[in-house]
Amino acid sequence: AQSVTQLGSHVSVSEGALVLLRCNYSSSVPPYLFWYVQYPNQGLQLLLKYTTGATLVKGINGFEAEFKKSETSFHLTKPSAHMSDAAEYFCAVSDSGYSTLTFGKGTMLLVSP
Amino acid sequence: SQTIHQWPATLVQPVGSPLSLECTVEGTSNPNLYWYRQAAGRGLQLLFYSIGIGQISSEVPQNLSASRPQDRQFILSSKKLLLSDSGFYLCAWSEVDSQGNEQFFGPGTRLTVL
Repeated sequence: AQSVTQLGSHVSVSEGALVLLRCNYSSSVPPYLFWYVQYPNQGLQLLLKYTTGATLVKGINGFEAEFKKSETSFHLTKPSAHMSDAAEYFCAVSDSGYSTLTFGKGTMLLVSP
Repeated sequence: SQTIHQWPATLVQPVGSPLSLECTVEGTSNPNLYWYRQAAGRGLQLLFYSIGIGQISSEVPQNLSASRPQDRQFILSSKKLLLSDSGFYLCAWSEVDSQGNEQFFGPGTRLTVL
């Protein structure tokens, strides 16, 4: 069975500071990993995904994540936070194209001026 | 391009009343379809998924049901709503054989049961 742990239900940063949102996963097979963002009262939007190949994945809005198999992690980073980055972020894992996604409980990113 | 629609956007219903939420997808054929619920502070809970017309899998026993009467239509229903059914309901789709089952989400329906 798969599982996802997102450390920290809330993360606060100042505008211009580094953003780091942590995600650890558990999977019995090589995983497919995703980060989604959700703005208030909206659906989820895909930020980036790891399937195979390069372990450093670049996504939209300047975000990137690195797949580290040895650490079973897929942390999300952005060098400089912007006020518009304030949202909830979800990490998700699947083990094939036929399985459902397993989501973490989400991390709310708060950005202060 | 593909789009996904959900309606209504918001809904306020009394306890014990019926429910019908609709989701439609355009621009793709034979998608996998999903219903999720978000309750405050509880993340996303997968309720149902469907790999084809009339094929529904339920993830959580509850008083909700789902149907897929057409290829790109997914309906979430209840005969009698409970207070605990309040939440934000999200529909999603994915392509069959997509790498890793990347899902695309609709805008959601905010349901308040009073």
